[in-house]
Amino acid sequence: GAGVSQSPRYKVAKRGQDVALRCDPISGHVSLFWYQQALGQGPEFLTYFQNEAQLDKSGLPSDRFFAERPEGSVSTLKIQRTQQEDSAVYLCASSSFPGAPYEQYFGPGTRLTVT
Amino acid sequence: KQEVTQIPAALSVPEGENLVLNCSFTDSAIYNLQWFRQDPGKGLTSLLLIQSSQREQTSGRLNASLDKSSGRSTLYIAASQPGDSATYLCAALIYNQGGKLIFGQGTELSVKP
Repeated sequence: GAGVSQSPRYKVAKRGQDVALRCDPISGHVSLFWYQQALGQGPEFLTYFQNEAQLDKSGLPSDRFFAERPEGSVSTLKIQRTQQEDSAVYLCASSSFPGAPYEQYFGPGTRLTVT
Repeated sequence: KQEVTQIPAALSVPEGENLVLNCSFTDSAIYNLQWFRQDPGKGLTSLLLIQSSQREQTSGRLNASLDKSSGRSTLYIAASQPGDSATYLCAALIYNQGGKLIFGQGTELSVKP
């Protein structure tokens, strides 16, 4: 594709609801990353996929967060029983890593607001 | 643990000025360093990527340098314009941690006409 796309762009959830955020990476990119960006902060790593394998989920803040990439392309980040502290922008990035040059390309993000 | 710091947190300059944004990192074992621009409510746009074997990269009015030994990178913007107003983020890629990026908190730049 032309770039990384994410949907929805905005999501408002009531506390306790489950949400699913979608990421479509650049076609052919092996690696896919999810980051969380709180207001006024830099993005923080959540999890990383190489093809369909989730190789690093060390940044997921709790067991309410779950990510998958079943066919090695589209990825979904799911948050169960949302809490107010989950309010943030969720960014997805894709890259040719482990193939050079490792540059990451970001989508527009999904802004999640938990009320 | 790699930590990335950006100074200053915010910067306001008149149009036409040359300016430098600073980024420091604690672990010199980075593979590359990437500079991004983020406009309000938008995603990240990649500006420049410097490989660890390089010392600088240039794109138009932007020049980024990397000094691994001192743990510093700078982004130089020449002849600033109001359209340059945005938040600038630097991020270090840690190769042996799956290629994830460690970000600084960003510098919010405002260029006044």
